[in-house]
Amino acid sequence: DGGITQSPKYLFRKEGQNVTLSCEQNLNHDAMYWYRQDPGQGLRLIYYSQIVNDFQKGDIAEGYSVSREKKESFPLTVTSAQKNPTAFYLCASSILDWNTEAFFGQGTRLTVV
Amino acid sequence: AQKITQTQPGMFVQEKEAVTLDCTYDTSDPSYGLFWYKQPSSGEMIFLIYQGSYDQQNATEGRYSLNFQKARKSANLVISASQLGDSAMYFCAMREGSGGSNYKLTFGKGTLLTVNP
Repeated sequence: DGGITQSPKYLFRKEGQNVTLSCEQNLNHDAMYWYRQDPGQGLRLIYYSQIVNDFQKGDIAEGYSVSREKKESFPLTVTSAQKNPTAFYLCASSILDWNTEAFFGQGTRLTVV
Repeated sequence: AQKITQTQPGMFVQEKEAVTLDCTYDTSDPSYGLFWYKQPSSGEMIFLIYQGSYDQQNATEGRYSLNFQKARKSANLVISASQLGDSAMYFCAMREGSGGSNYKLTFGKGTLLTVNP
């Protein structure tokens, strides 16, 4: 079955530690995205990538980093510089077309204690 | 300025009745797509319906329809015959078509719909 897989579903980390969230897709999509969701805030774009080895900052990129070494994979690292990392993180992918939907993973809930 | 505005933080509807969730958008791009997603408490994002800026007719998909008023820049979601399983968060989103760097989806803050038995 084609889809997007995010792992893990729940993640706990101590303050000051970097943590990497995994996102893999087998839909052969060129574009991939990372969103952060906080209560009452909707989804906010962190980073996106339209091609391997290239990515752009979204609206809230500070304290995050990404890589796109393979078309299928777009891992997100939450660094210790991110002031408030506890949130729900959603990865998405799509073809490069403005009139088609994006497909989402199941999300990772990160809690930093 | 916000590109997508959902003015209803929460809505209640009686089972089997219809409900309209509001969405207004802001863009100067003639080519754009509007999307509605449903997010149940499990967190997954489920795509519901799409409306393109050049579409002449309102989109429909089963019990979902889109009331698209281009001049008013609104794209309201109508859910007919509400079911208990429709209780969820609903997000309106937009994609603009103005060139190769602009395929990102911009979301509104969402509306929490509760269907009462």
